[in-house]
Amino acid sequence: GAGVSQSPSNKVTEKGKDVELRCDPISGHTALYWYRQSLGQGLEFLIYFQGNSAPDKSGLPSDRFSAERTGGSVSTLTIQRTQQEDSAVYLCASSRSGQETQYFGPGTRLLVL
Amino acid sequence: GDSVTQMEGPVTLSEEAFLTINCTYTATGYPSLFWYVQYPGEGLQLLLKATKADDKGSNKGFEATYRKETTSFHLEKGSVQVSDSAVYFCALSSSGGSYIPTFGRGTSLIVHP
Repeated sequence: GAGVSQSPSNKVTEKGKDVELRCDPISGHTALYWYRQSLGQGLEFLIYFQGNSAPDKSGLPSDRFSAERTGGSVSTLTIQRTQQEDSAVYLCASSRSGQETQYFGPGTRLLVL
Repeated sequence: GDSVTQMEGPVTLSEEAFLTINCTYTATGYPSLFWYVQYPGEGLQLLLKATKADDKGSNKGFEATYRKETTSFHLEKGSVQVSDSAVYFCALSSSGGSYIPTFGRGTSLIVHP
């Protein structure tokens, strides 16, 4: 079946612009996670959704980062006034409720010039 | 808080060599332990997992045993192939509803023909 999809696959933007990253989870997966993977670093947890609500926003690095999820499905991660240090690969993962195994999308590679 | 420490890479091996990637963890309670693999240009995918002490996870010739006494979950493979070249992430998931895993920094494996 279809896996987790993310779009765009690559995004180049100028410093100060806003960007939106999209994640389409596997159908039926109620949990959705966003991570950031910087060069040479591990995965940095950003935010977790259970359904449409986000009980854990602790990983968002600043108030320039926000995320929403509608209809218990698609999620959008928005970065306002991008900075060069935001350049990274942004990964989305989903899982069934009560399941620990996460299924990852291919990621969006963001480059801020 | 929870943490995962894995050996730094890159690990460079010749085809058919024996592989060990060390992983140790710190966690409260009894976490589940995972190895994820990330092939070039792709997202992470679950390689194997173990949910309780002395469990052995295995997949595609890879194995790891949950050692509570040494808080370790080392990844091993008896004979690596060029196609195993990837980045390997050790992770843990503590009990609780969100299953937000803690990842190690990843270990790059390069296998030469």
